[in-house]
Amino acid sequence: RKEVEQDPGPFNVPEGATVAFNCTYSNSASQSFFWYRQDCRKEPKLLMSVYSSGNEDGRFTAQLNRASQYISLLIRDSKLSDSATYLCVVIFTGTASKLTFGTGTRLQVTL
Amino acid sequence: GAVVSQHPSWVICKSGTSVKIECRSLDFQATTMFWYRQFPKQSLMLMATSNEGSKATYEQGVEKDKFLINHASLTLSTLTVTSAHPEDSSFYICSASPRLAGSPYEQYFGPGTRLTVT
Repeated sequence: RKEVEQDPGPFNVPEGATVAFNCTYSNSASQSFFWYRQDCRKEPKLLMSVYSSGNEDGRFTAQLNRASQYISLLIRDSKLSDSATYLCVVIFTGTASKLTFGTGTRLQVTL
Repeated sequence: GAVVSQHPSWVICKSGTSVKIECRSLDFQATTMFWYRQFPKQSLMLMATSNEGSKATYEQGVEKDKFLINHASLTLSTLTVTSAHPEDSSFYICSASPRLAGSPYEQYFGPGTRLTVT
């Protein structure tokens, strides 16, 4: 079983739609959680950290459920520019801040 | 701030040759640098972690004699793929942190280097 699992998609949604991605992680001893965005053939860029209480940044909302070991990302009012691959990233406790990446979920926003 | 560059951005080489990739932190001192590899439609996989002036720590399954990492200064790390083979073709990405590995997270990614071995 992979340490960090994501549905690869693609998720094809019309502009303005709300879309949600989930990510599950295998090790309960997890320290930190993030969502990254990666455009085709580019480096990943930090979208937001995920806090236990949940957090929001504009149209993006991240939630963490430690009991069920999953993280979610909600995107409201999707824009064409949101089309990208969204990577779930976990730092497991005791790994010296090593980032463990999921394979990513591909989002395609269309007109 | 916190800009990391990589050079070259893409490279094509023949099987059996060696390729060097540079990673530079442009506006901060990178105490720790990380090297990742990403195959098509797969996740980024950490290859190794290096602290300036120390030997790199390689992840399980990564051959240290094949992927030579040098982190001789606080702004430069190099990854040399020795005797490259077509299966080494991948997207290599570095990241840099102003903190020691094990300290709170803070990594900045370079733009990546696409290596194609023919």
